[in-house]
Amino acid sequence: QKEVEQDPGPLSVPEGAIVSLNCTYSNSAFQYFMWYRQYSRKGPELLMYTYSSGNKEDGRFTAQVDKSSKYISLFIRDSQPSDSATYLCAMSARTGGSYIPTFGRGTSLIVHP
Amino acid sequence: GAVVSQHPSWVICKSGTSVKIECRSLDFQATTMFWYRQFPKQSLMLMATSNEGSKATYEQGVEKDKFLINHASLTLSTLTVTSAHPEDSSFYICSAIEGYNEQFFGPGTRLTVL
Repeated sequence: QKEVEQDPGPLSVPEGAIVSLNCTYSNSAFQYFMWYRQYSRKGPELLMYTYSSGNKEDGRFTAQVDKSSKYISLFIRDSQPSDSATYLCAMSARTGGSYIPTFGRGTSLIVHP
Repeated sequence: GAVVSQHPSWVICKSGTSVKIECRSLDFQATTMFWYRQFPKQSLMLMATSNEGSKATYEQGVEKDKFLINHASLTLSTLTVTSAHPEDSSFYICSAIEGYNEQFFGPGTRLTVL
């Protein structure tokens, strides 16, 4: 079993829909949880960064962490065609003196007009 | 957020030549930088972790003599692909950590080896 599992999709939704992206993990030592957005042939862009269980909201994006279930989610409200990209979850634990993130394989999201 | 740049963004080279890719943190000092490789429609594969002033730590299966990493300062790390071959063609991405955990990525470098 991989440390971080993420469905690669693609996930296709109509414009305006609420999108739910999810990752599960097996390492209970993970403390930091991140979501990145990656457009084709570009580097990933940090969207959300959370430390504790619960919800964190930023505009149309909400990150949710449930450490008891080892499950994290990213919700996108009022999705737009410009949200079409690959979304990567990442999480990290302290290893020695640093935190090295482990990435999911990414979910491809397509928002069609 | 913090900005990380990479240069060049795209490089084409002949088989057997060496290629150097630069990664710079533009507005912060990065104690740790990472180098990733990404194949089409695949996730990021960590190649090595680089700390300023010390030798890079390579992931299992990554040849350190082939992928030379130099982290000369808190704002610059370089990856040199030595004696490149077509199978080294890939998208190489660096990232840098600001603070404890916020990791910012460069725009990536697409390497094509003919």
